[in-house]
Amino acid sequence: DQQVKQNSPSLSVQEGRISILNCDYTNSMFDYFLWYKKYPAEGPTFLISISSIKDKNEDGRFTVFLNKSAKHLSLHIVPSQPGDSAVYFCAAASDTGYALNFGKGTSLLVTP
Amino acid sequence: DAGITQSPRYKITETGRQVTLMCHQTWSHSYMFWYRQDLGHGLRLIYYSAAADITDKGEVPDGYVVSRSKTENFPLTLESATRSQTSVYFCASSETGVNTEAFFGQGTRLTVV
Repeated sequence: DQQVKQNSPSLSVQEGRISILNCDYTNSMFDYFLWYKKYPAEGPTFLISISSIKDKNEDGRFTVFLNKSAKHLSLHIVPSQPGDSAVYFCAAASDTGYALNFGKGTSLLVTP
Repeated sequence: DAGITQSPRYKITETGRQVTLMCHQTWSHSYMFWYRQDLGHGLRLIYYSAAADITDKGEVPDGYVVSRSKTENFPLTLESATRSQTSVYFCASSETGVNTEAFFGQGTRLTVV
């Protein structure tokens, strides 16, 4: 059963507006969460992460919010740019596991 | 060049053939991983390795074999390829394997006909 869920397969946003990508998880042992960005024909690249001891982490235009009680995290991109168009994967890990558990991804399209 | 490289980038093989996908990293990362990406499934872990000569199964290991005789290499072998193994395969590495990001190769697109 999928432990990391991204329930929106796709999202379309206008350039300059905010993009919000959501992710839910079921395993309460997860304590580290990451977002990866993937362009076609390339490997995923690390974007931003957050530890369970925090509820927010910011890096430039990208902010990740973590709500542990709801087992939910979100990635905010402000302002969105056409170059942000990609598939975004949410991933989670626990300190007892050695590999990342990925969601199915959300395809973001930012239109001019 | 520093980084993680996969070869080949594209491969077509016939059902029943053995095929090996190569992965090489230059960081001396302890941990290495193989994932496959399929529509509707995202990235699923096939095998991982915590160090040379230490490997373990992931979520979808059936039909695959791995080895890690050297820290920098982590080949993935399909012993007898099936059409269901048509996929994009990603190799990744990480320094500690725990609570740290993994770095991915560019992927190998494998088609089994």
